[in-house]
Amino acid sequence: GNSVTQMEGPVTLSEEAFLTINCTYTATGYPSLFWYVQYPGEGLQLLLKATKADDKGSNKGFEATYRKETTSFHLEKGSVQVSDSAVYFCALSATGANSKLTFGKGITLSVRP
Amino acid sequence: GAGVSQSPRYKVAKRGQDVALRCDPISGHVSLFWYQQALGQGPEFLTYFQNEAQLDKSGLPSDRFFAERPEGSVSTLKIQRTQQEDSAVYLCASSLEGGGTYEQYFGPGTRLTVT
Repeated sequence: GNSVTQMEGPVTLSEEAFLTINCTYTATGYPSLFWYVQYPGEGLQLLLKATKADDKGSNKGFEATYRKETTSFHLEKGSVQVSDSAVYFCALSATGANSKLTFGKGITLSVRP
Repeated sequence: GAGVSQSPRYKVAKRGQDVALRCDPISGHVSLFWYQQALGQGPEFLTYFQNEAQLDKSGLPSDRFFAERPEGSVSTLKIQRTQQEDSAVYLCASSLEGGGTYEQYFGPGTRLTVT
């Protein structure tokens, strides 16, 4: 079956540091890949997505590239802010009408001033 | 516009009680999903509706779990004879249509605690 593996957390960084959160996946076919974010006290919201190999998703300074050869979708940001403190989930959905999401465990990011 | 809403936000049930969790999706959204999120874990798929048709219920953990969406809008997730292992946050999401390219919009969740 489909699965998503995220690096273990939590992660604590200083403001303006570089961020990488690793994500690898196992899936048949050509899934779509997503990063969701959950800010404290809020619901899950889509951060970025990529729907085919070599696509780069980007939003709010975050980027992730769909790498089929390494089955990865690592999240990066060049300079994190305190407001980026949240839980980040990598997810995939298989091709087809039922786009149910398969999530990783999530990783908590804390950014200190 | 209004997002996905869920009620109640918090529910405490004694073991053995039945509970009903409600989801109001974004108006016009065809697809509706239920997920279960245990503490410290990512959400796990429970079931999927396209309009009123339940097309996938492969994630429902037991026959105590039942979901419906009779008019293709509001959905209810019912758990009968609750057990402690049912304690989790139950998330509802809707999307304009099926297919992996459409964004799923999540509600705030219902936190169920079974004592």
